[in-house]
Amino acid sequence: EIVLTQSPGTLSLSPGERATLSCRASQSVSDNYFAWFQQKRGQAPRLLIYGVSSRATGIPDRFSGSGSGTDFTLTISRLEPDDFAMYYCAHYGASPRTFGQGTKVDIK
Amino acid sequence: QVQLQESGPGLVKPSETLSLTCTVSGDSISHYYWSWIRQSPGKGLEWIGFIHYSGIANYNPSLRGRVIISLDTSNSQFSLKLSSMTAADTAVYYCVREYYSFDFWGQGTLVTVSS
Repeated sequence: EIVLTQSPGTLSLSPGERATLSCRASQSVSDNYFAWFQQKRGQAPRLLIYGVSSRATGIPDRFSGSGSGTDFTLTISRLEPDDFAMYYCAHYGASPRTFGQGTKVDIK
Repeated sequence: QVQLQESGPGLVKPSETLSLTCTVSGDSISHYYWSWIRQSPGKGLEWIGFIHYSGIANYNPSLRGRVIISLDTSNSQFSLKLSSMTAADTAVYYCVREYYSFDFWGQGTLVTVSS
């Protein structure tokens, strides 16, 4: 099983700032089957990024993903008020699919 | 636009079997992988398993043979059965399409295990 460890646990930033979220895998993720999700309180997670760096439909270009192998990054170039939420990484190239424990982006 | 809707009991007694159904609309269920994912405060997001439209299923080993996922293409539904429920299985259960990763989610249904 691939264990995904996200850091930091909480990121306190102001609107307009850049957010950098990290996710490290315990072993290499095959074929770039790696994704990021945003979740707001009381809602289902929403797919932001798949295939390491491809934005899902309707996701603004201030969200970008990068990385390879075991180290991955989600960058939000300029935080907007709607971006303050929980973020999860996940791999889906092998079974079992697993998720990171999440990073909370909150308002400073 | 693909839509998924979970249905089933919100309360299950310990040792009983949970049965949930997901109804898919807006796209054919005869494609893709269809997954169940749950979320509890103690364990975060946990993938339970998937069923492929071909009928092939794959489950999380952590559930130790308690899970069965099935597909009903005639009704555009897929279902989850999770046996020997305990308090540790209390969670929000989501049905999810897997194509570009987990790209479409149901709203989720809270299942509480209590006598």
